[in-house]
Amino acid sequence: DVKVTQSSRYLVKRTGEKVFLECVQDMDHENMFWYRQDPGLGLRLIYFSYDVKMKEKGDIPEGYSVSREKKERFSLILESASTNQTSMYLCASSLPGSGRYNEQFFGPGTRLTVL
Amino acid sequence: GESVGLHLPTLSVQEGDNSIINCAYSNSASDYFIWYKQESGKGPQFIIDIRSNMDKRQGQRVTVLLNKTVKHLSLQIAATQPGDSAVYFCAETPSSNTGKLIFGQGTTLQVKP
Repeated sequence: DVKVTQSSRYLVKRTGEKVFLECVQDMDHENMFWYRQDPGLGLRLIYFSYDVKMKEKGDIPEGYSVSREKKERFSLILESASTNQTSMYLCASSLPGSGRYNEQFFGPGTRLTVL
Repeated sequence: GESVGLHLPTLSVQEGDNSIINCAYSNSASDYFIWYKQESGKGPQFIIDIRSNMDKRQGQRVTVLLNKTVKHLSLQIAATQPGDSAVYFCAETPSSNTGKLIFGQGTTLQVKP
C-alpha cells in the first residue's frame, strides 16, 4: 500500500517563525501536492510538484514556498508564519497520467496553530 | 472559474438506511471524478471513482452516479453503518494528465444508531 507520512500531527508556532512541514511518500510517485483544509472551504491547493526540483503554484500560494530536492520528499515552508495560516495541512502524492492514476494518496495531516 | 460543490454540508441518516450524497460540478470538460472519505483525525481516503464515459459504477456498498447532462455526481451508500460517519468529498479532474484534482467543500455524514 502507498504510504504518505507527514512529520508532525500537531504543531504550535509563534507569529513570525519559519515553519517547515515535511512529507514523505514511499511509492515512487512523481506528483506531490500540498493542501490546506479549513471548515467550509474544503481542500485548497497550495503548491504541487511534478518532479524533483519542479514546483507549480496552486490556488493559494501566497505566504508559502516549497522544496522538492528528492523524489520522495516534498516540503512546505511558511517563511513567516501568521495567524491566518492556522489550519490543517494535507500532503498527497500520485502517479502521473489520467484515469485511475489521478487518485491522490493522502497523509494524515498536520494541524498547525500559529499564536 | 471551476468549482465542485456539494449540496448539503451535513446529512444525518439512521443506521441501516441508504445515504445519498450529492455533488455538482461546473466544468463539462472534466473526465474523471473521485469520491473521498475523511474520518476524524485522518487524511482523505479513496472510495470510488468514475470516468466521464460511464453513468454508473458500483463498489462494495457504494455506487457512484454521473449525470453529465446536468453536471451532477452522487454517492450512494447502502445500509449505512456507524463506521460510515465521516466527511465525504467529491473531486474532479479539470483536464487530463495534469494530476490535479479540484475538491468540493465536503458533506458530513452522521449515522444515528
